[in-house]
Amino acid sequence: RKEVEQDPGPFNVPEGATVAFNCTYSNSASQSFFWYRQDCRKEPKLLMSVYSSGNEDGRFTAQLNRASQYISLLIRDSKLSDSATYLCAVSNNNDMRFGAGTRLTVKP
Amino acid sequence: EPEVTQTPSHQVTQMGQEVILRCVPISNHLYFYWYRQILGQKVEFLVSFYNNEISEKSEIFDDQFSVERPDGSNFTLKIRSTKLEDSAMYFCASSHEVGGASYNEQFFGPGTRLTVL
Repeated sequence: RKEVEQDPGPFNVPEGATVAFNCTYSNSASQSFFWYRQDCRKEPKLLMSVYSSGNEDGRFTAQLNRASQYISLLIRDSKLSDSATYLCAVSNNNDMRFGAGTRLTVKP
Repeated sequence: EPEVTQTPSHQVTQMGQEVILRCVPISNHLYFYWYRQILGQKVEFLVSFYNNEISEKSEIFDDQFSVERPDGSNFTLKIRSTKLEDSAMYFCASSHEVGGASYNEQFFGPGTRLTVL
């Protein structure tokens, strides 16, 4: 089983749509959870950390379900600039593992 | 806003040669990391470094790899004898502000693209 698994997509959505990404992880001892975005041939940029109670940052909402070992990211009112690959990352101590990413394209 | 920097942006080398990739982490961070991303594949953890020693390393980080913090600002990754399959983007990251929260938010540099011929 892969350590961190994501639906690779691609997701093609119109501007203004709501889109959700899911991620599962295999290591139940994982302690920290993140969503990064990565543009083509660029570095991963931290989008948001994921807290146990769930958290929101503007149009972005992240949820964590430790029992199911599942993380989600919801993007509301998607913009053209949201087009990127979204990476789920899971960390135990200082060993962070990434999913393969989900590609999102937002179209006019 | 402080950022992680990496040099060079692109390194071309012959198979069997040694390369050193350089990183300047965010100045008040305590933990440093190297990752690699082969073209079209996922970001893979190589190593984490804290208090002048390796904290964690992955199965990829074998004897041909080494890391060093030679002075107060640089953090380097050395590949001793490069192979064709070492061709990838190598990202440096840092985390954990001195005196800050212990939450492990890692910030990445722009990467060095290594091409082994």
